[in-house]
Amino acid sequence: IAGITQAPTSQILAAGRRMTLRCTQDMRHNAMYWYRQDLGLGLRLIHYSNTAGTTGKGEVPDGYSVSRANTDDFPLTLASAVPSQTSVYFCASSDSGGQGEDTQYFGPGTRLTVL
Amino acid sequence: GQNIDQPTEMTATEGAIVQINCTYQTSGFNGLFWYQQHAGEAPTFLSYNVLDGLEEKGRFSSFLSRSKGYSYLLLKELQMKDSASYLCAVMDSNYQLIWGAGTKLIIKP
Repeated sequence: IAGITQAPTSQILAAGRRMTLRCTQDMRHNAMYWYRQDLGLGLRLIHYSNTAGTTGKGEVPDGYSVSRANTDDFPLTLASAVPSQTSVYFCASSDSGGQGEDTQYFGPGTRLTVL
Repeated sequence: GQNIDQPTEMTATEGAIVQINCTYQTSGFNGLFWYQQHAGEAPTFLSYNVLDGLEEKGRFSSFLSRSKGYSYLLLKELQMKDSASYLCAVMDSNYQLIWGAGTKLIIKP
């Protein structure tokens, strides 16, 4: 593995179902992020983690939860999916969680459709 | 509120130069990033500015004026592969990135 992987690549989900999007990085970065990207809008931060064992809420956290049990993995869970959660979801990571030139590197994304 | 503004779409000719502008109003400033995103792909890092002035990286340059809340990305010698969206993002006082909606750049032969 080199960089960040996300799974699944795409998913169609019935409303009300529970879904976990997976994200794994092999760069030993401290910080990880989940964004959603919708047409005509900028990337919006859902949740973040500055280091293993800690998480924080971003701009649009409602309906989503995360955990950071170790450095490499940062799963995003939709407890009960709704159609407004139809989006492309990107996971990202960075070395220092905001200190200085803290470039974020992105995974390939998960395209989620909730019907 | 926090706001990042950039044009929705721009068109340019292969071999030419194009400037993509970005204006921002954020709570605090800890740097400005430009990313490139091809359709259906992830954003990839292009440049970072934290001090006023011009940063040059090959065919791409990025400029920042903190007093004006303004940046631009300059692309020279345009190639067809430069057709993509270009995202401007500002790191605010909480060290979170605030993203613009992106500028779709269309390159014509």
